[in-house]
Amino acid sequence: GESVGLHLPTLSVQEGDNSIINCAYSNSASDYFIWYKQESGKGPQFIIDIRSNMDKRQGQRVTVLLNKTVKHLSLQIAATQPGDSAVYFCAEKGTNDMRFGAGTRLTVKP
Amino acid sequence: GAVVSQHPSWVICKSGTSVKIECRSLDFQATTMFWYRQFPKQSLMLMATSNEGSKATYEQGVEKDKFLINHASLTLSTLTVTSAHPEDSSFYICSARGGGAQGLFEKLFFGSGTQLSVL
Repeated sequence: GESVGLHLPTLSVQEGDNSIINCAYSNSASDYFIWYKQESGKGPQFIIDIRSNMDKRQGQRVTVLLNKTVKHLSLQIAATQPGDSAVYFCAEKGTNDMRFGAGTRLTVKP
Repeated sequence: GAVVSQHPSWVICKSGTSVKIECRSLDFQATTMFWYRQFPKQSLMLMATSNEGSKATYEQGVEKDKFLINHASLTLSTLTVTSAHPEDSSFYICSARGGGAQGLFEKLFFGSGTQLSVL
């Protein structure tokens, strides 16, 4: 069936470096995507979203890139901080729900 | 942003008992609520979708008689795990989506989750 998945299960970066988290999706008809951050024992927290009519969207220290040609989504975090350590999920809007990818654990080393 | 309150945050129960988890949207009316289950180091798996005033739609493989969902009002949905067993131990998360404004309609707001441990 259709699914959303991630290339890398773990990512370790040095504090201050930029982080890039990737996500592949398979439903070419998907028109809306969200990146979520989940800290241990908590629910997902909205980070940034993007519609399929865009290929880039920027927030505060975060940028989401969408490549519809290869059905790839990425989240870039600038100047990664220890507080960014968490699991990051991409999610794809379905007809009436949101489907999550496998998740990438980001660890920031001081 | 919109707030979704989930209660309790953790619960320990004996095998065979039932556990109810509440999910409330505090500052908006949630026309649709979703229940997810998450095992350690895994992603969120959608269990069911509930619309206010109607029966929940369960994902394939989710037992509707075991995971009872009630969405009686626009601000409250409950998930009851009936006759819980150790294999039901998991992190359960609800989310809510409002109608009306585009932002509320497409963005989901999540509860803080409930860690269920069945002994």
